[in-house]
Amino acid sequence: DAKTTQPTSMDCAEGRAANLPCNHSTISGNEYVYWYRQIHSQGPQYIIHGLKNNETNEMASLIITEDRKSSTLILPHATLRDTAVYYCIVSSAGKSTFGDGTTLTVKP
Amino acid sequence: NAGVTQTPKFQVLKTGQSMTLQCAQDMNHEYMSWYRQDPGMGLRLIHYSVGAGITDQGEVPNGYNVSRSTTEDFPLRLLSAAPSQTSVYFCASSYSPPTGYLSTDTQYFGPGTRLTVL
Repeated sequence: DAKTTQPTSMDCAEGRAANLPCNHSTISGNEYVYWYRQIHSQGPQYIIHGLKNNETNEMASLIITEDRKSSTLILPHATLRDTAVYYCIVSSAGKSTFGDGTTLTVKP
Repeated sequence: NAGVTQTPKFQVLKTGQSMTLQCAQDMNHEYMSWYRQDPGMGLRLIHYSVGAGITDQGEVPNGYNVSRSTTEDFPLRLLSAAPSQTSVYFCASSYSPPTGYLSTDTQYFGPGTRLTVL
């Protein structure tokens, strides 16, 4: 299984961009990177995924390095409601492994 | 379209009791899975199913049974509850198994069942 490494916690000022990094140095060439978030006590929520190219949707942008060994999730204008645990997932062998994720705290 | 639903939302059991956590989805997803989340920790995979009649173990299967008789339902059974099984349980479904090679692996999660075993 490809493993991911994320910082334990990060802070961000409201209105600023939140940049959440993820290392996945053992990712294979055809594996997607998925991002989910979990707002307190709720079920995880899908945010975005990508393979090689940068991706953007209404929630966030995903920047994947050219060697695909790391990626960054960008929340362009963080709000207090974006306070959550963010998980970077690289699935393989029919299973998704959720690590401890990054706890993002958006502060006023 | 209700998505993924779980019942009950809360449950308190005594040690040794058995119970079934219900999970249903109305998206015609083939892949379903159960996770548990202990306080302050990430999700750990208990069991999963790639389709009706097919189930397999995740990383923490001991003490749990599953079956998949229909595409829609994936119940999780606790055989003899123990305090170590106190946790929040999440059910998830997706169109395809999270092989990592498809863009259709997006998982949709239910709201969770909060279980306390005394």
